Amino acid sequence: KAGVTQTPRYLIKTRGQQVTLSCSPISGHRSVSWYQQTPGQGLQFLFEYFSETQRNKGNFPGRFSGRQFSNSRSEMNVSTLELGDSALYLCASSRELAGVNEQFFGPGTRLTVL
Amino acid sequence: GENVEQHPSTLSVQEGDSAVIKCTYSDSASNYFPWYKQELGKRPQLIIDIRSNVGEKKDQRIAVTLNKTAKHFSLHITETQPEDSAVYFCGVSGGYQKVTFGTGTKLQVIP
Repeated sequence: KAGVTQTPRYLIKTRGQQVTLSCSPISGHRSVSWYQQTPGQGLQFLFEYFSETQRNKGNFPGRFSGRQFSNSRSEMNVSTLELGDSALYLCASSRELAGVNEQFFGPGTRLTVL
Repeated sequence: GENVEQHPSTLSVQEGDSAVIKCTYSDSASNYFPWYKQELGKRPQLIIDIRSNVGEKKDQRIAVTLNKTAKHFSLHITETQPEDSAVYFCGVSGGYQKVTFGTGTKLQVIP
């Protein structure tokens, strides 16, 4: 079974631009979560989608948004990029049979904002 | 919201010794506590998890203990090996897939 995949793996953008990141979960997994990883802040929860609905949201500004499609693939979008948005963006998928289950992480998208 | 503190931030041990990483959390309703290992340049991977109705769980050289009253849990690695060198993150969740992570512990096992 293929693992979680993310595209693109690397992105370089300039301040003010917007960016869209994509995540394909493991087949059969319906929950997709997004995290921002930075050296100083560690892993911070952005949001989680299940069956095309956002179920949870972290403490990030409205410039960060996401969506999930009927095939469980998910995208996240960051508008009006700031230098501080430079980070590794990880998505994680989960089968979720009951409650919280193991999350499987993708390789991440490394975003650099210049 | 949930607040998770993880200590120490760095830990160096001699090969064969034990390593202990501790986390505390704030929300008494939290009921799921995973530990992830992230090697340099790689994705985080789950190494062990525990639910609130269990006090201790072991998997070979790795164990996790949970004290719900005190709101803290710990990761124990025995007989450490060089391949245990990585960053370890504790996580806390109260439901669904929202996991609040600690800031990580960089473990170095010295051969």
